[in-house]
Amino acid sequence: GQQVMQIPQYQHVQEGEDFTTYCNSSTTLSNIQWYKQRPGGHPVFLIQLVKSGEVKKQKRLTFQFGEAKKNSSLHITATQTTDVGTYFCAGPDGTGANNLFFGTGTRLTVIP
Amino acid sequence: NAGVTQTPKFRVLKTGQSMTLLCAQDMNHEYMYWYRQDPGMGLRLIHYSVGEGTTAKGEVPDGYNVSRLKKQNFLLGLESAAPSQTSVYFCASSYERERYEQYFGPGTRLTVT
Repeated sequence: GQQVMQIPQYQHVQEGEDFTTYCNSSTTLSNIQWYKQRPGGHPVFLIQLVKSGEVKKQKRLTFQFGEAKKNSSLHITATQTTDVGTYFCAGPDGTGANNLFFGTGTRLTVIP
Repeated sequence: NAGVTQTPKFRVLKTGQSMTLLCAQDMNHEYMYWYRQDPGMGLRLIHYSVGEGTTAKGEVPDGYNVSRLKKQNFLLGLESAAPSQTSVYFCASSYERERYEQYFGPGTRLTVT
């Protein structure tokens, strides 16, 4: 079955350091979405990537979709305490009903 | 707009008891979803609905039933709760096409003892 793995599972960084999480799918994806979940909160949509090799930026966050459309990454430059949370990638599960298959997530802790 | 709301926020059940979780959205979305979130396992889809009166099974449907009698509401039922159903349950909704973001509710934390 479909698998979406994220690494690392956990990451602790000093405030100001950079952070990267990687997402790898067992199948080619038509698009990939990224969500952020703050501790005790709910997932919130960050961005969607559609094209092979696409790169999108949101302030200090850079999202990339691989050329083969099977992997993606999220890079945060100069982390801040507000970046704390779990970051999930998600891709279509193939049912055609806008269902998403979520990755296992990367939990980011930022040490002030 | 309230977005997606869930009731209740917390619940403790004894094994064998039943309960219904209510999800409501005011964005006129066609699609609605129920997920469960367990530590280290991300979000897993339980059931989903592509419109009023329709429901379908997701990845982990066993032990749950759903109903979508009104477009804005999506109910998740546990007929006979088991400790393995201890989890955080999230409802979400989206527009009726692929590649649209999902909007999540605040979640319900359920403990089954």
